[in-house]
Amino acid sequence: NAGVTQTPKFRILKIGQSMTLQCTQDMNHNYMYWYRQDPGMGLKLIYYSVGAGITDKGEVPNGYNVSRSTTEDFPLRLELAAPSQTSVYFCASSATGLGLETQYFGPGTRLLVL
Amino acid sequence: KNQVEQSPQSLIILEGKNCTLQCNYTVSPFSNLRWYKQDTGRGPVSLTIMTFSENTKSNGRYTATLDADTKQSSLHITASQLSDSASYICVVSVGKAAGNKLTFGGGTRVLVKP
Repeated sequence: NAGVTQTPKFRILKIGQSMTLQCTQDMNHNYMYWYRQDPGMGLKLIYYSVGAGITDKGEVPNGYNVSRSTTEDFPLRLELAAPSQTSVYFCASSATGLGLETQYFGPGTRLLVL
Repeated sequence: KNQVEQSPQSLIILEGKNCTLQCNYTVSPFSNLRWYKQDTGRGPVSLTIMTFSENTKSNGRYTATLDADTKQSSLHITASQLSDSASYICVVSVGKAAGNKLTFGGGTRVLVKP
């Protein structure tokens, strides 16, 4: 099992550009999440999905969009990049999202918006 | 507002020594508390998960304690190794709602020197 994989590892964007961060998991997990991690701060939930076709906003969804067409993939879309979106983005997954279940994280995508 | 505060922000210890990291939380309703280890450039990896009824949980040289009355937790690292150099993140699970909503602390960065 590769677990949770993310691409790209690093990207530089100009203000106003768009991009999609890719996330794939091979554990057949129903729940998937997108977080951002700013230096010295705790991870913040952007969006999450409880299954294919179902997504919901997290704590900081503004400026982002998601879709979940398959169980395996959960891409995160930035439409008009802003410097405030400079961060490290982590995708995670869990089987059911309840109780004492562990979330498994990908290696992250480092994004710099200039 | 749900918050998780960790101390110290960073610490340096010599290889073979012990150390203790602190976590205070103001989260309601409390479901469970987790400690994650995050190596530089990697995603967080779960170390322990505890419910309010558990006082202590071990994972090898890592021992977590929980005092649900005072809303405090600690992570003790015994006989530190160079591979313990990482950030350690305290995470509290809020309620039992779908999505397994997590509140993350900012982490304690540990550097183990030979």
